[in-house]
Amino acid sequence: QVQLQESGPGLVKPSETLSLTCSVSGGSISSTDYYWGWIRQPPGKGLEWIGSIYYSGSTYYNPSLKSPVTISVDTSKNHFSLQLSSVTAADTAVYYCARHTSTWTIDYWGQGALVIVSS
Amino acid sequence: EIVLTQSPDFQSVTPKEKVTITCRASQSIGGSLHWYQQKPDQSPKLLIKFASQSISGVPSKFSGSGSGTDFTLTINSPETEDAATYYCHQTSTLPWTFGQGTKVEIK
Repeated sequence: QVQLQESGPGLVKPSETLSLTCSVSGGSISSTDYYWGWIRQPPGKGLEWIGSIYYSGSTYYNPSLKSPVTISVDTSKNHFSLQLSSVTAADTAVYYCARHTSTWTIDYWGQGALVIVSS
Repeated sequence: EIVLTQSPDFQSVTPKEKVTITCRASQSIGGSLHWYQQKPDQSPKLLIKFASQSISGVPSKFSGSGSGTDFTLTINSPETEDAATYYCHQTSTLPWTFGQGTKVEIK
C-alpha cells in the first residue's frame, strides 16, 4: 500500500519561501503510471490544487496561485517537493501531497501538513 | 478555469433518508468528475471516479451519476459514520478544480 508523508517547517514568515517534501513509500515515484501532486486547504475552507509533477520532471501548475510555485522530483530519494515563494498569510493552509493515476484521479493522499504564515 | 458549484452547502438527514448532493460544472467536462469524502482532521478519500465508477473498498451505498455539466452523489441509508464534507473534483481541463464542499450531518 502506497503511503505519502509530508514534511517541512510548520511556520514560515511572510515574503519567505514555503518548502515541503513528500516522501513516498510502498511504491516507486518513477512509475510511469502516476503523477504526483500538491493540494492545499486553508483552515475551514475547501480544496485547491496547486500543481503536479511526473517522474520525468514534467510539471503542471495552477495559474490561479498568486505566489510563484515550483514542484520538483528526486527519484533517487523517492520524494517530490513543493516551493511556494513570497508567501503571505493567505498561503496558510494544510498542504497535502497526493498521487494521481494516469487519468488524474487522486487515489492516495498524505495526512497533510499545516503551514502557518506569520511573523 | 472550470468552476464546480455544489448544492446544497449543508445537508442534515436522518439515517432513513437519502443524501443527494449535486455538482454543476461551468462548462461540459464529459465524465471527468470524481467525488471525495473528508472527515474532520482527515485527508480526503476517493469515493467515486469518472462520475459513476465505484471504488474498491467503498460501500455500495455510495453512488454517482451524471455527465456533461450536471452530476449527483447519492448516499443511500446513511449512517453516523458518513457525517463528513463531500467534494466534487474535475480532471477534464487544467487547472484541476474542486467544488466548494457539502457538509453532511446525520441526525
